[in-house]
Amino acid sequence: SQTIHQWPATLVQPVGSPLSLECTVEGTSNPNLYWYRQAAGRGLQLLFYSVGIGQISSEVPQNLSASRPQDRQFILSSKKLLLSDSGFYLCAWSVWRGPLSTDTQYFGPGTRLTVL
Amino acid sequence: DAKTTQPPSMDCAEGRAANLPCNHSTISGNEYVYWYRQIHSQGPQYIIHGLKNNETNEMASLIITEDRKSSTLILPHATLRDTAVYYCIVRVAMDSNYQLIWGAGTKLIIKP
Repeated sequence: SQTIHQWPATLVQPVGSPLSLECTVEGTSNPNLYWYRQAAGRGLQLLFYSVGIGQISSEVPQNLSASRPQDRQFILSSKKLLLSDSGFYLCAWSVWRGPLSTDTQYFGPGTRLTVL
Repeated sequence: DAKTTQPPSMDCAEGRAANLPCNHSTISGNEYVYWYRQIHSQGPQYIIHGLKNNETNEMASLIITEDRKSSTLILPHATLRDTAVYYCIVRVAMDSNYQLIWGAGTKLIIKP
């Protein structure tokens, strides 16, 4: 069965510090990978998605970047955190089986980031 | 912007069926409706999805109106562990992939 891991679970960082959040998936090959952010009381906002190694698409201009160095590893980074970067960060995976498929996304446990 | 509208909150008695409505009046013909739920401080959990026909799985049933402008998620026998925020989502095409457009969801509280 497939498993998705995210770490750390919680993180408190000062403004201006760097960030690195990691997501790994087990039990599947060539997944689509996603990074979302959720503000308190709100729905999820898609930040980045990747359909393969080194392929990153950004949905929202921001202070963040993403990388996919390995097939099942997705990293979210920032060089200098802002107060507005606080939130709940979620990684998800899906498997693309063609335009007629329904590639359901499955989510990790999330990382709660507080920038002070 | 979200393509769905849901009531912000609902209550349901334990053991009864919970019926969660969702409006998606601007949905296109090839866009699926997905339902997820999120228990506090956890990642969202997939529940069910559908296009035109009603769907049922071990967790819930999804009823989609014939005009596809609205749907209802049914939890047949709600338990206290079903207390969560339920998201009705439309999946839209983007480039060579799809995107889930999330709204604010419905906070469902199951009462003993």
